[in-house]
Amino acid sequence: SSELTQDPAVSVALGQTVKITCHGDSLTSYYTNWYQQKPGQAPVLVIYAKNNRPSGIPDRFSDSNSGNTASLTITGAQAEDEADYYCSSRDTSGDHLIFGGGTKLTVL
Amino acid sequence: QITLKESGPTLVKPTQTLTLTCSFSGFSLSTIGMGVGWIRQPPGKALEWVSLIYWDDDKRYRPSLKSRLTITKDTSKNQVVLTMTNMDPVDTATYYCVRGSGSYTLPFHNWGQGILVTVS
Repeated sequence: SSELTQDPAVSVALGQTVKITCHGDSLTSYYTNWYQQKPGQAPVLVIYAKNNRPSGIPDRFSDSNSGNTASLTITGAQAEDEADYYCSSRDTSGDHLIFGGGTKLTVL
Repeated sequence: QITLKESGPTLVKPTQTLTLTCSFSGFSLSTIGMGVGWIRQPPGKALEWVSLIYWDDDKRYRPSLKSRLTITKDTSKNQVVLTMTNMDPVDTATYYCVRGSGSYTLPFHNWGQGILVTVS
């Protein structure tokens, strides 16, 4: 399969924990990268290659993987975490990169 | 400090060829494992990977666009150029230049500001 599937929208109460999921056959073979995009801005890498966070990304962001599902967890969501989140990995051939359709996170 | 900046036309007519240049600094595309690529995002829609070029000149293209794309690099100038032929209104999007490294899934650690290209 050359697709990654995400829920279009998720909401979380301020300070609570939220999990954003990404489904795809290729995820049984390849790591997932996660990007955060706020309105009018370029995306920012928040997690890559099995729970690595770039410098400056808070440790409330983490990821996990089970079979063909990857999950981005935000523990203690903050108002500034409200954004679109995209997962990315390789397709099943390994030759190309693919993105999920994105999840809009609302922090209530 | 790593920076990437996209340049090119912001308006093209249908059937024309689009040429986008990514000018970058703060890293070398000769470094093993490095890749520079293009991601696009149609207005209000999701990110789409378009193309990548690696340090060893390996080139990859989005399968649905492969026949229309060419990516090249000039390591001495720190530039990557993407050419897309036969532009169509559905190609209207913000095109981002990105730097990837650090894993086989090539996480994009750095993004340009993006350039909105309108096909009309």
